[in-house]
Amino acid sequence: EIVLTQSPATLSLSPGERATLSCRASQSVSRYLAWYRQKPGQAPRLLIYDASNRATGIPARFSGSGSGTDFTLTISSLEPEDFAVYYCQQCSNWPQTFGQGTKVEIK
Amino acid sequence: QVQLQESGPGLVKPSQTLSLTCTVSGGSISSGGYYWTWIRQHPGKGLEWIGYIYNSGSTYYNSSLKSRITISIDTSKNQFSLKLSSVTAADTAVYYCARGYYYDSSGYYSAPNYWGQGTLVTVSS
Repeated sequence: EIVLTQSPATLSLSPGERATLSCRASQSVSRYLAWYRQKPGQAPRLLIYDASNRATGIPARFSGSGSGTDFTLTISSLEPEDFAVYYCQQCSNWPQTFGQGTKVEIK
Repeated sequence: QVQLQESGPGLVKPSQTLSLTCTVSGGSISSGGYYWTWIRQHPGKGLEWIGYIYNSGSTYYNSSLKSRITISIDTSKNQFSLKLSSVTAADTAVYYCARGYYYDSSGYYSAPNYWGQGTLVTVSS
């Protein structure tokens, strides 16, 4: 089973600031890495798939990069709705696995 | 726009079987190229993939739960279901159904891009 480790656990930022979240895989997942945002009481929403492709309807402030074992999600300028928990997920091997999450909180 | 909706009891007694159904609207569950999956999230915790099913009825389960899981599909009702037997308090979680797509020729599986809203199942006597 591939283990995904996200860092940091919590990111304290202000609206308008840039957020950089990391996800490291225990073995290569090529580019088969997705990112989700989860607001309280809601299901996760797909933001990025295949490391760098924005999902339908996702604004351009979200971008993803990386391949192999190291991946980054960048939010260029935080909006109020972006203060939430973010998960990475690998789709390279079954079982699909998720990181433990990064909480982006208001500073 | 595809929509998924989970339904089932919110409270299950220990040692009993948890049964949930996911109803799909806005698209046919019989369409090829998709996998239909269950994912759960323990309270305040991360996400755990449970298993998936194709429209053909073929399934793949997480080995950690394999002995207790059954996922089935009912194309006539546009639904798929989850049964988890011998539940304990550790199975208390929000259960999500979701859909992803795949390309058989390349073995590519997408991240699930349509999710239900989730349903909380509590295991307690």
